[in-house]
Amino acid sequence: DVKVTQSSRYLVKRTGEKVFLECVQDMDHENMFWYRQDPGLGLRLIYFSYDVKMKEKGDIPEGYSVSREKKERFSLILESASTNQTSMYLCATNPQGLYGYTFGSGTRLTVV
Amino acid sequence: RKEVEQDPGPFNVPEGATVAFNCTYSNSASQSFFWYRQDCRKEPKLLMSVYSSGNEDGRFTAQLNRASQYISLLIRDSKLSDSATYLCATLTDKLIFGTGTRLQVFP
Repeated sequence: DVKVTQSSRYLVKRTGEKVFLECVQDMDHENMFWYRQDPGLGLRLIYFSYDVKMKEKGDIPEGYSVSREKKERFSLILESASTNQTSMYLCATNPQGLYGYTFGSGTRLTVV
Repeated sequence: RKEVEQDPGPFNVPEGATVAFNCTYSNSASQSFFWYRQDCRKEPKLLMSVYSSGNEDGRFTAQLNRASQYISLLIRDSKLSDSATYLCATLTDKLIFGTGTRLQVFP
């Protein structure tokens, strides 16, 4: 089974802090994704990557950046955390092709 | 209009009931379709892919209607453990999710 590991389950940060969310997958998948999930809004795509050092903006990239220096690791960066970035963040991966995604267990981030 | 739409529910059904969820999508270029299950405060987990000819996995049946652009999920003989939120998703260059339909099965 694909294992997608997110470094923290719960995180509390202060407004203005730089926040790093890490995601590691162990199945050599090319594609990796970052979503956030909010009540009533569902899952929204922030950024994705189809290869090392490659990144593409999703639907809501503002206030975020990403880094993919190694195939197995995809990091989401909140440059200056704000309270409206309080959310559940989910990392996902899939191999090339028309396959469903496998999600990590999520990071519930609270910005105070 | 949202790209993928679902009735949010909740659907409250007794054990043993049959329940069906529908999901409509707007992008006719969608190539693959999925149903995910999400338990409270957990990540979505792939329940089943949806194939053009329809497919079944135990008590779960998924169907796709490309002409009308909707997919459906039928759950037969509902169990208490089926209580969860069910998300449909369509894939073009990326996976787009509906906001989910909540199912509550009661004894």
